[in-house]
Amino acid sequence: EPEVTQTPSHQVTQMGQEVILRCVPISNHLYFYWYRQILGQKVEFLVSFYNNEISEKSEIFDDQFSVERPDGSNFTLKIRSTKLEDSAMYFCASSERVRTGRYEQYFGPGTRLTVT
Amino acid sequence: QQPVQSPQAVILREGEDAVINCSSSKALYSVHWYRQKHGEAPVFLMILLKGGEQKGHDKISASFNEKKQQSSLYLTASQLSYSGTYFCGTEQGNTPLVFGKGTRLSVIA
Repeated sequence: EPEVTQTPSHQVTQMGQEVILRCVPISNHLYFYWYRQILGQKVEFLVSFYNNEISEKSEIFDDQFSVERPDGSNFTLKIRSTKLEDSAMYFCASSERVRTGRYEQYFGPGTRLTVT
Repeated sequence: QQPVQSPQAVILREGEDAVINCSSSKALYSVHWYRQKHGEAPVFLMILLKGGEQKGHDKISASFNEKKQQSSLYLTASQLSYSGTYFCGTEQGNTPLVFGKGTRLSVIA
């Protein structure tokens, strides 16, 4: 069964460093998402991406964050200058078609980011 | 706006039933239900759409009261594998999913 994959599974970085989290969405999916989950808390929407541009973004997704689809398979989240409060599990998700809630989102296994 | 889930936590013995509720103060287009086991990604369970359409797994049932903007997830004859945190995500039509804080379900033998 097709699945969303993410790398790395765990990333440790120092405050102020840049990190890139990578995701490979399910191949025939058109909408891509990044979510964040701070330990023990709810899943929070960061950004959605369709047709090579951002569809929506939350207040969390400030200028320190960027997303890119550098080729036909990868979808990346970059954090330019990490802060301690960026420590969280980051999930990538993808869905098949339009974003209007009609289609389920499939989540990847997540990347645990630890900022020291 | 974040949906409100209740209860926050529930403990069941195998075979017992549970209902998890999700409510919003905003008019909803859809409600999504996910289950997350500790240290794992959320797994899709069900979508309920305005107008009555549903998509999901055969063994899961849920309802969506459009007038009250409430959804309920019904877990019957619970198994140990049902343990996890259940999140509802709500969507108002062309808006991102907003997840509730989750309901922690523990099923014990």
